[in-house]
Amino acid sequence: EDQVTQSPEALRLQEGESSSLNCSYTVSGLRGLFWYRQDPGKGPEFLFTLYSAGEEKEKERLKATLTKKESFLHITAPKPEDSATYLCAVQESGAGNMLTFGGGTRLMVKP
Amino acid sequence: TAGITQAPTSQILAAGRSMTLRCTQDMRHNAMYWYRQDLGLGLRLIHYSNTAGTTGKGEVPDGYSVSRANTDDFPLTLASAVPSQTSVYFCASSPPGDTGELFFGEGSRLTVL
Repeated sequence: EDQVTQSPEALRLQEGESSSLNCSYTVSGLRGLFWYRQDPGKGPEFLFTLYSAGEEKEKERLKATLTKKESFLHITAPKPEDSATYLCAVQESGAGNMLTFGGGTRLMVKP
Repeated sequence: TAGITQAPTSQILAAGRSMTLRCTQDMRHNAMYWYRQDLGLGLRLIHYSNTAGTTGKGEVPDGYSVSRANTDDFPLTLASAVPSQTSVYFCASSPPGDTGELFFGEGSRLTVL
């Protein structure tokens, strides 16, 4: 059974204080790992797809990296508007688009 | 573009009553999904449909049913609601190919008393 564990559950940062969110996973055959952002009262919004160990993707202040057992979402010099819950999900080979999600990390960036 | 539209936004329901959550998309995506989101448990797949006329069970299908009469609509029905079905329900769709990119609706918050 696929498992996805995100840590920490919650993270408070000061504006400009860089940090990383962790997503560790167990899957029999990884087809892809995904990061989503979810704002309060909204549905998740797609951020990145990573397919193989060593791959990196960047978008503004966010950079996602992937190893064989975990993924990191690095946030550089965050701003208050980066406050959201960040969700990690894995896609098993042969499972189509059925994703297994982690519990998420709630990020709060204070001005 | 509307994307995924869910209704109702929120609902309080007495245990034992039936309820249908509506989901409509205007992106002509073949695949659609229903997830529930509970604190500490993340998003869990209830049912999915890869194309109109077909449906499949996800991780937590018990107590729920779906239908896919056409490409645009994917309603989720609770035949006899129980308090453990209190949750936020999200409908999603995905474009062709196994990209893992899902487009989500805004969610329907359901409380079963």
